[in-house]
Amino acid sequence: DTGVSQDPRHKITKRGQNVTFRCDPISEHNRLYWYRQTLGQGPEFLTYFQNEAQLEKSRLLSDRFSAERPKGSFSTLEIQRTEQGDSAMYLCASSPIYGYTFGSGTRLTVV
Amino acid sequence: GQQLNQSPQSMFIQEGEDVSMNCTSSSIFNTWLWYKQDPGEGPVLLIALYKAGELTSNGRLTAQFGITRKDSFLNISASIPSDVGIYFCAGQPISNSGGSNYKLTFGKGTLLTVNP
Repeated sequence: DTGVSQDPRHKITKRGQNVTFRCDPISEHNRLYWYRQTLGQGPEFLTYFQNEAQLEKSRLLSDRFSAERPKGSFSTLEIQRTEQGDSAMYLCASSPIYGYTFGSGTRLTVV
Repeated sequence: GQQLNQSPQSMFIQEGEDVSMNCTSSSIFNTWLWYKQDPGEGPVLLIALYKAGELTSNGRLTAQFGITRKDSFLNISASIPSDVGIYFCAGQPISNSGGSNYKLTFGKGTLLTVNP
């Protein structure tokens, strides 16, 4: 499979719990991105990696959010002490230089 | 921050009809992209535009990068039921150094419904 893979597809968690999502990009893509999408909106940029270096974080990414990309391969996005406002679709994408390929996303529901 | 105005917000059409949607920006973009998103899935790239004035087709889809670099449109001809979904425009702005910024700014989407 040459697409971007995200796991899990769905996650329901109680408020206050920590969650972690994983993204496996297309293997030859050195750029990896995380976006968040809420209902009725387009995706919004969260953060960007070039290889293992996290080069930019959006102001949307509060201190409770952390993303890593060890060894420049897969990436994880962790949300600590989840809040109901964190409920959204979390999308990962990868690219060589131009032309993003998105994964199917992880749908997070905080109850 | 940059904003993309995408219109219309939704469309309900009969199978076989042509469809047109557009996006305008308050600032210049270096690249315009059009995506389609099905429920519960990530956006899928339909067409990418890299030069002002560029007109590109992908099957029944045609998109253009506006001359001013602040707008783009997407046309779908002879719509079919599987065209149903949400269509997003997205732009990559020019960075301060003049090169292409890697971040995408998305519009709010156009929900297309096709009646068989």
